[in-house]
Amino acid sequence: DTEVTQTPKHLVMGMTNKKSLKCEQHMGHRAMYWYKQKAKKPPELMFVYSYEKLSINESVPSRFSPECPNSSLLNLHLHALQPEDSALYLCASRNPGVYNSPLHFGNGTRLTVT
Amino acid sequence: GENVEQHPSTLSVQEGDSAVIKCTYSDSASNYFPWYKQELGKRPQLIIDIRSNVGEKKDQRIAVTLNKTAKHFSLHITETQPEDSAVYFCAASTNWKIIFGKGTRLHILP
Repeated sequence: DTEVTQTPKHLVMGMTNKKSLKCEQHMGHRAMYWYKQKAKKPPELMFVYSYEKLSINESVPSRFSPECPNSSLLNLHLHALQPEDSALYLCASRNPGVYNSPLHFGNGTRLTVT
Repeated sequence: GENVEQHPSTLSVQEGDSAVIKCTYSDSASNYFPWYKQELGKRPQLIIDIRSNVGEKKDQRIAVTLNKTAKHFSLHITETQPEDSAVYFCAASTNWKIIFGKGTRLHILP
């Protein structure tokens, strides 16, 4: 049971495919995050949305395109990915009213690029 | 930008003994330091956090200490149990960013 829901749980895609990862939270958090995690590595920050606006892009390649349609939803659009993009993609949310607040992670989408 | 160093990368302790994991950070503006536990195939879960205006915090068998002057913070787990086996990540937060250390794989030996 997690308060941040990610779909799908697993995704296999070819390098020419276009797919989207979805994330939803209903905790009233106004900051949402995408992290990428490779095996035996820490989560690596990709994007941060605060109040539905993109506030941080950690120089992520344009084949990853984030979208925040409303305060509860966060998408990550994928196009022309490479095999090295295979990883666990974690969504997280946070209460921005107080900077000093923890991230709440979803269970992640395990992405395999073939 | 912020850089978080974490040591050791692997730690094995006898069940019932204590475990200590240490982290240092580079950005003096960092003001929030969470610790996450990640079991194999699962999401990171917060176990304890500390804010920059506090030097120490304890929650049952888990404690965290923070030395702002030296820019380091540590996780202490006492009376370790088999279920403590996992990967532990420290992190440092500056405004919106939360940057993670490389992780410590903790093994609890029977």
